[in-house]
Amino acid sequence: GIQVEQSPPDLILQEGANSTLRCNFSDSVNNLQWFHQNPWGQLINLFYIPSGTKQNGRLSATTVATERYSLLYISSSQTTDSGVYFCAVEPSMDTGRRALTFGSGTRLQVQP
Amino acid sequence: AAGVIQSPRHLIKEKRETATLKCYPIPRHDTVYWYQQGPGQDPQFLISFYEKMQSDKGSIPDRFSAQQFSDYHSELNMSSLELGDSALYFCASSSGAGDNYNEQFFGPGTRLTVL
Repeated sequence: GIQVEQSPPDLILQEGANSTLRCNFSDSVNNLQWFHQNPWGQLINLFYIPSGTKQNGRLSATTVATERYSLLYISSSQTTDSGVYFCAVEPSMDTGRRALTFGSGTRLQVQP
Repeated sequence: AAGVIQSPRHLIKEKRETATLKCYPIPRHDTVYWYQQGPGQDPQFLISFYEKMQSDKGSIPDRFSAQQFSDYHSELNMSSLELGDSALYFCASSSGAGDNYNEQFFGPGTRLTVL
């Protein structure tokens, strides 16, 4: 099956710092989503981004489908950004919709 | 906007007992997915349903079964529970309509603890 690798596995930032999280995937995809899992376990949708660039406030994401990677940018980090960031992909298939395969996540801790 | 609803939110069971988890997808979403997330791990796909028919199967144990009903809600039935079944169970739903084809939205999860 498709492989998804995220880096770095762990990241500690001071409040106000910027960061870039990376997601590499091994095959072509129909769907790529970034999630934030908060300390209560909820998976929050950040971006649906199988290709191109999107921005939402202090967060932005870029996916280069031809090179099979995606980047999540966090600017001016806040303590509430702490948690685990997952990249998840749906592989391209001939028919039907498929489940997401998740990377192992980046655990982010933002210190005041 | 309506979100995915899961119940119960927390469940404590003894080994060898059974458990039933329920999921109510976002209205007009036609596909439901179940995922299992063990402690410190990423979510793993169990099973999915499209228009009330099983559409895909992942690493779901034979002790588990699931179905989707006429009102589109889904239930995950777990029997002969083992300690290793302790995990966070997510339901997600999606639609083939709109700009974001098959964007999946997750419920808050059911935290199952097996003692």
